[in-house]
Amino acid sequence: EPEVTQTPSHQVTQMGQEVILRCVPISNHLYFYWYRQILGQKVEFLVSFYNNEISEKSEIFDDQFSVERPDGSNFTLKIRSTKLEDSAMYFCASITSWGSPLHFGNGTRLTVT
Amino acid sequence: RKEVEQDPGPFNVPEGATVAFNCTYSNSASQSFFWYRQDCRKEPKLLMSVYSSGNEDGRFTAQLNRASQYISLLIRDSKLSDSATYLCVVHFGNEKLTFGTGTRLTIIP
Repeated sequence: EPEVTQTPSHQVTQMGQEVILRCVPISNHLYFYWYRQILGQKVEFLVSFYNNEISEKSEIFDDQFSVERPDGSNFTLKIRSTKLEDSAMYFCASITSWGSPLHFGNGTRLTVT
Repeated sequence: RKEVEQDPGPFNVPEGATVAFNCTYSNSASQSFFWYRQDCRKEPKLLMSVYSSGNEDGRFTAQLNRASQYISLLIRDSKLSDSATYLCVVHFGNEKLTFGTGTRLTIIP
């Protein structure tokens, strides 16, 4: 069964540094997402991406965040200047069509020190 | 009112018992509904979609009540491996799918 893959599985960075989290969605999927989950809390929507542009973003997704799909396969989340409160598990997900369920990658644990 | 609301639990249930969870949602125009399970520090995994007429998958039954704006999940003959957090997910018709806080279930031997 096709999978969403994410790298790295764990990233440790210092406050103020830039990080890029990488994802390869399932190849025939059309909508791509980033969610995050702070330890012990709910899964929160960050951003959705369709047709090579952001289609919706949450209030969490401020100017420090950006997404790209540079080559038609990779889907990246960049955090420009990390803060301690950015420490969380970041999940990439994709769906094949509107209204269908999310398929998640196994996540990147980001630790900001 | 929260967009998607679940009782966080924990539900501690003996093996073999039946357990049910509800999830309420705020937007009557919601279009798609799902139950996911999440094991500790893992990604959410799709358990089942929820259809208007209700649907069953083995020991699991999902129901949708649009009039009262809730969905339910019933687990029969619970097994130790059912211990997890169960997440309600609602597609409101915009781009995002919104998660509830999850209900933690522990099956006791």
